[in-house]
Formats: sequence, structure tokens, C-alpha cells
Amino acid sequence: GAVVSQHPSRVICKSGTSVKIECRSLDFQATTMFWYRQFPKQSLMLMATSNEGSKATYEQGVEKDKFLINHASLTLSTLTVTSAHPEDSSFYICSAIDWTGGGEQYFGPGTRLTVT
Amino acid sequence: AQTVTQSQPEMSVQEAETVTLSCTYDTSENNYYLFWYKQPPSRQMILVIRQEAYKQQNATENRFSVNFQKAAKSFSLKISDSQLGDTAMYFCALFGNEKLTFGTGTRLTIIP
Repeated sequence: GAVVSQHPSRVICKSGTSVKIECRSLDFQATTMFWYRQFPKQSLMLMATSNEGSKATYEQGVEKDKFLINHASLTLSTLTVTSAHPEDSSFYICSAIDWTGGGEQYFGPGTRLTVT
Repeated sequence: AQTVTQSQPEMSVQEAETVTLSCTYDTSENNYYLFWYKQPPSRQMILVIRQEAYKQQNATENRFSVNFQKAAKSFSLKISDSQLGDTAMYFCALFGNEKLTFGTGTRLTIIP
């Protein structure tokens, strides 16, 4: 199946700083990518839908100015957590849809963010 | 809004036995897809099986099969001949209205 990568896999940052997480589709072009957040022992919660060449669509309750999403190419979407706080610590997962491959959604391995 | 409900937070079964995980959903969409994903300790999401809502025939993938009851909005997963490697979190999910909504998950433990 298709592969989606995320970088970094783990990151620790100080409170008040910003951190960027990359999501790449390695062997297909993805016009649509999704960003999820997963708290320990909980389900995945959709944060936003990232569309190549246009603004992201954020779910209700997600601060778009805090979680900046850029989908500048057909294989890369980035999530920047701005002015991070300890409560932003979580596991962030991206996924990408391969529309030419039947609309299958492929998930990245996730990024564990710890804000100290 | 679409919702997915998994009422079994945890389940355990002896190796080689059969286990069924339950899932119900609600959506106003006519065209949607249903999925079961497995999340092992590595936390990588792995697709187990998918079902197109317009197909009446239940999907099957080797030891994994579903019981899709569209009128009842039910989508259960049956794992036959369970193996130790099946130990994981299992999430039921619905793709509709251009987004994927997950249930709360069932933690499945296969006992040797």
C-alpha cells in the first residue's frame, strides 16, 4: 500500500515556542490530507482538513491561529503548533487520501509532542 | 453530524477463538464508507477492512469479516482464529461528508 511519513516522530519543545510537523505522501499525490490529535487511551479527533492550494478547513473548537496548516504541494502538508503550551502535548497523526487509488486513506506513524 | 459508537471498551479472548467487536453509527449521508482500523502499541493505524455502504455483501479479508446491517446502522467486526498479533486497539470509523469519524475504540487482548 501507499506510504505516508511524518517528521519528526518525537519532539520536545519549551512552552511559548513553535514547532512544525511535516506529513508527506511518498508514492502518491494527495490533494487532501487530514490532521488528527489523539490523547492517551482515547480516539483520534479530527482537527482539520488540509487541501492543496487552499486554506485548511478546521473542525469546531480547533484554533486555526494556533494550529497553522500549510498544504503547499501535492505531497506535503505541515502543521505548526504556535506558542505551544503543556496542554498541547499530544500525539498528532496525519493521513492522506489517494484518490487515484480508490480513495483509500493512509495514515502517518504519528508525532509525539511534549511541551515542557 | 455523524457519530460512531463502540460500546465495548475492552475485550479479551483465548487464542484461536472467535471474537466480535460491535459498532453502531449514525449519518445523514446516503453515500458513505465504513472501516475497521487496528492500532497496535506502535500507534500506526492499520486498515483492517472496509465496506462501501451501497454494497449489500459483507466484506471479508482472510480471518476478518464484517456484519453490515444498514437499516440498523450496525457494523460489527468478526475475527476468526484469533492470533496473539491481533492484540491492539480497534477503531470503527465512518467516512462521509468528506471526513472520517472514529469511534472510541475497543482494546482487544488475545490470551495465549
